[in-house]
Amino acid sequence: AQSVSQHNHHVILSEAASLELGCNYSYGGTVNLFWYVQYPGQHLQLLLKYFSGDPLVKGIKGFEAEFIKSKFSFNLRKPSVQWSDTAEYFCAVIPPLSGTYKYIFGTGTRLKVLA
Amino acid sequence: DTEVTQTPKHLVMGMTNKKSLKCEQHMGHRAMYWYKQKAKKPPELMFVYSYEKLSINESVPSRFSPECPNSSLLNLHLHALQPEDSALYLCASSGQDRDLETQYFGPGTRLLVL
Repeated sequence: AQSVSQHNHHVILSEAASLELGCNYSYGGTVNLFWYVQYPGQHLQLLLKYFSGDPLVKGIKGFEAEFIKSKFSFNLRKPSVQWSDTAEYFCAVIPPLSGTYKYIFGTGTRLKVLA
Repeated sequence: DTEVTQTPKHLVMGMTNKKSLKCEQHMGHRAMYWYKQKAKKPPELMFVYSYEKLSINESVPSRFSPECPNSSLLNLHLHALQPEDSALYLCASSGQDRDLETQYFGPGTRLLVL
């Protein structure tokens, strides 16, 4: 079945460590890609998005993501995490030719940063 | 301004009650969404309204009834819910300028059904 996969369900890092969270999708064609963050007790916030153009996308709070079409991936990165990055991270995809704005969410990655 | 507001923040209701959740946005967005989110899970799409018309219903039980009175407001009417309906209910909207796809989420209503 076509889907969005986030293989890292739980990640624990120390402050200043580098972060990479994986997101893979199984749709062919042109997709729109998003990363959202949900801090404890807060709402989903958009970190960054990719529609077209430069495959390296800069987002808020020092996050970036790289779209690699050949690998069907859109991995999220941050060079140096902070304790305040502790949150749940969701990748979302709008499949091609869906005719709607329906997101397909990944299962999420829970990040814990140790001070 | 990318704010979506939702009321109430918390709601406790019995299985025989009728209640409503409200969502509001003033970004001129033309699509609005209801999601259900269980703990440690991604949001699950329930309904999509586009230009005030219901465009997607993800086979949601009829005890959930959406309503879009105008382009800024979205309601979710609840009746005869079950305890398993307890969850965080998220509203989102999209359709800003030339970016029709990016969804902006509200803080949610945390619902407990007793």
